[in-house]
Formats: sequence, structure tokens, C-alpha cells
Amino acid sequence: DAGVTQSPTHLIKTRGQQVTLRCSPKSGHDTVSWYQQALGQGPQFIFQYYEEEERQRGNFPDRFSGHQFPNYSSELNVNALLLGDSALYLCASSQGQGRYEQYFGPGTRLTVT
Amino acid sequence: GESVGLHLPTLSVQEGDNSIINCAYSNSASDYFIWYKQESGKGPQFIIDIRSNMDKRQGQRVTVLLNKTVKHLSLQIAATQPGDSAVYFCAENKGRRALTFGSGTRLQVQP
Repeated sequence: DAGVTQSPTHLIKTRGQQVTLRCSPKSGHDTVSWYQQALGQGPQFIFQYYEEEERQRGNFPDRFSGHQFPNYSSELNVNALLLGDSALYLCASSQGQGRYEQYFGPGTRLTVT
Repeated sequence: GESVGLHLPTLSVQEGDNSIINCAYSNSASDYFIWYKQESGKGPQFIIDIRSNMDKRQGQRVTVLLNKTVKHLSLQIAATQPGDSAVYFCAENKGRRALTFGSGTRLQVQP
């Protein structure tokens, strides 16, 4: 049973560029949430997708956007990258909005120079 | 208390001892709590969860205690092993949506 997978593992971008991160949820899960984890801190909620729609959003600017596909996989897009966007980006999946448990992927380490 | 930057609170224990990691949560309306373990370079790994209608739940070598009166959560690890060394986060959930993570605690197990 495949767990949550994310790609790429690491990424280096330059300020002002755009980046797309990808996530495949755990088998049987249909809800994907994205989190940003700065070094030495806990994950911060970005947004959650269910039925291909953004259902809830954290305190992140519009430069952060996402998408969910019919197969439940998801993308996180960040435009106009800032140095402060350097972080570990985590994807978590769960089974429907009626379930609490969220399982995390290994993350994508984004470095903005 | 809150951690700032790299200065996570650290708990150092001897192998074989019991560990207790504490967490204070903020939202009295939260109805679900999870403990996650995060090893270096990896995503958070689910350990154990508890709903607000319970005050104790046990798993394999782990016990979570919930005190809603003082909004406090603790994770007890029995017979701590070197493989338990990691950063531990508590997270709270209200309304089955976003998880709100607390400040982490780094557990160091001394051989």
C-alpha cells in the first residue's frame, strides 16, 4: 500500500521564479492538505483540497495556489518566489472530510536563492 | 514554551527510561489531537491520536493524556529506545480541516 508520495525531493530556485510541487495521496484517500515547514518550526497549514476544490486556506498570500486532479493527486504552485519561501513543503492526505487522520509525505525541500 | 528558530526544547533521556513530552494547545474548541514524530529529513509520522471525549489512550509503548481543563496534552513513551530519537509535535484539529501544530520537542536518547 503506497503511502503519500511527493516530487521532487529537492529543488533550488531563484527569487522571482515560479515553482510547482506535486503530491500523490495515500491509496484510498481523496483529500489533500499542504503545509509549509520552516527550519526548526512546526508545519503551517497552507490549504486543503477536496473534490478538486480548495476547501480551506491558511494565512498564506495569493502567490500560493493549488490544484487537485480527478485522481486526487495535487499540485502546489508558488509564484514570485521570495527568500522566505525556502522551507520543507509537506503534503498530507486523508480519507474524506469526515475523517481526522492526516498522513504526511516525505516533503519537498525548496531552497530559494 | 514556544520555540524560536532552531532552539527547540530538548528532552534528553537514558535508553530504557520512560519519556514524557508535554504540549499546551490553544483552542478550547479543538476536538481531536495527534502526536507526530519527525526524523531528520522526513515528513511527520503519525504516532497516536485522541479525541476530546477521552482523557487517555494507549498504543504500543505510547500513551497520550489529555487534560482539557488546562488545555494540556502529554505523550508518554515507555522504555525509550535510540530509534525514538526525533522531534515530536502535537497537533490539534477543529472541524476536521487544518491541523495546527504546536512547537516541537527534540527527544535525545542516550545509550
